[in-house]
Amino acid sequence: EAGVVQSPRYKIIEKKQPVAFWCNPISGHNTLYWYRQNLGQGPELLIRYENEEAVDDSQLPKDRFSAERLKGVDSTLKIQPAELGDSAVYLCASSYTRGAEQYFGPGTRLTVT
Amino acid sequence: LAKTTQPISMDSYEGQEVNITCSHNNIATNDYITWYQQFPSQGPRFIIQGYKTKVTNEVASLFIPADRKSSTLSLPRVSLSDTAVYYCLLTDSGAGSYQLTFGKGTKLSVIP
Repeated sequence: EAGVVQSPRYKIIEKKQPVAFWCNPISGHNTLYWYRQNLGQGPELLIRYENEEAVDDSQLPKDRFSAERLKGVDSTLKIQPAELGDSAVYLCASSYTRGAEQYFGPGTRLTVT
Repeated sequence: LAKTTQPISMDSYEGQEVNITCSHNNIATNDYITWYQQFPSQGPRFIIQGYKTKVTNEVASLFIPADRKSSTLSLPRVSLSDTAVYYCLLTDSGAGSYQLTFGKGTKLSVIP
């Protein structure tokens, strides 16, 4: 069975440009998470979806970040416009249900110049 | 918000048992204790989860005292491939919203 798929794996953009990350969770997993991980730090939860409903988005910088999970399967995280401080690894994870074991994708390493 | 505290780093020789302790004084009734392992350039990987007493699987054991204010991840006979960052995490499986906080984790270095 395929794991969590993320694309792209790497992205380099100039500041003020938009960028989007895509995640395909494990089939049947109702809960989807987006994390941001800065160098030397643990993952920081940005948003959690239960099916297509966004919950726990208190850490999502809503002025420039947006996310969607149409039909409760794939998800997209967007940043517009990107800032230098957004350089990080963006991780997507999914779990069968809230509180259950999370399966992480390989992440997207974003570099903003 | 319940937080966890772990040592920043630990060193161990190959073949030794490693115990990593996590403090979580404000753990809530609905919280489970979950440990993840992360290698460089990879996403975290689930190791073990428990609520109380002891849990054991094929890779690790988790010891949780009765007051649940701390927990210890035990890795038997570590090898070089166990060099990674280990995160202790509280996960709430109850109703309502909750926050997942990984913290900085414990960087384990296994020495030949």
